[in-house]
Amino acid sequence: DTAVSQTPKYLVTQMGNDKSIKCEQNLGHDTMYWYKQDSKKFLKIMFSYNNKELIINETVPNRFSPKSPDKAHLNLHINSLELGDSAVYFCASSQGSGLNTEAFFGQGTRLTVV
Amino acid sequence: GENVEQHPSTLSVQEGDSAVIKCTYSDSASNYFPWYKQELGKGPQLIIDIRSNVGEKKDQRIAVTLNKTAKHFSLHITETQPEDSAVYFCAASKANFGNEKLTFGTGTRLTIIP
Repeated sequence: DTAVSQTPKYLVTQMGNDKSIKCEQNLGHDTMYWYKQDSKKFLKIMFSYNNKELIINETVPNRFSPKSPDKAHLNLHINSLELGDSAVYFCASSQGSGLNTEAFFGQGTRLTVV
Repeated sequence: GENVEQHPSTLSVQEGDSAVIKCTYSDSASNYFPWYKQELGKGPQLIIDIRSNVGEKKDQRIAVTLNKTAKHFSLHITETQPEDSAVYFCAASKANFGNEKLTFGTGTRLTIIP
C-alpha cells in the first residue's frame, strides 16, 4: 500500500502548456509538501500545506499553484510551462506536529518541457 | 534562512570499508537533522535522524553524530555493502508547529566498489 503516491511519474509537454501533478497520502498526516529536484540533484522546498492551509511558499513563481482539496491531497498546477521548469517534482508528507517527524516522499514526477 | 552544506559530493569506497559524509548548518535554532537515501528513480527515504538533545545515534551499520557547538553533523556507514550505493542527503529543520521545512544539503553520491 503506497504511502505517498503521485501521478503521473513522467510528464513530457511543450513550452507554454498548462499541466497538473497529483499527490495523495494515506498516512493521515497533517502536512504535505512539494519539493523540486533539479538536474544536479539539489532538493528545494516549494510549498507546504498544513490541514489544507498554505504555510510555506518559497518564492516560487505564481505560475505554480498548489491546491489542497483535503488534507490527504496536494496537487500542483503549473501554467505557461517554461524550459527551466524541467525537473523532478516530489510530493511529501509528515505529521508536522512541531516535533519534526519523518517526511515520507512520493516516487517523483519527472517533468520535461520541450 | 537555513543553509546546509554537504561534503563530499561523490565518494567511492571499497566494499566492507566505512564511509563518512559531513554536513554543516547555519541556523543555530535548527533542532532536527535527518539523513535521507535516494536510490535511482525513487524518492528520498529516511535512514536515520537525530535531534539536538542527543549527540550520537546508531542503528546497526549506520550512525549519526551531532556537534551543536560547531553546527555540524555526520553520517557514518560501516561495513559497506553494494546496496549502500545511492545518493545521500543530510537535512536540517526546526520545530515550528506545522511550519517545519527540511533544508537539504547538496547530496553525496556514494559508490561501493565490490
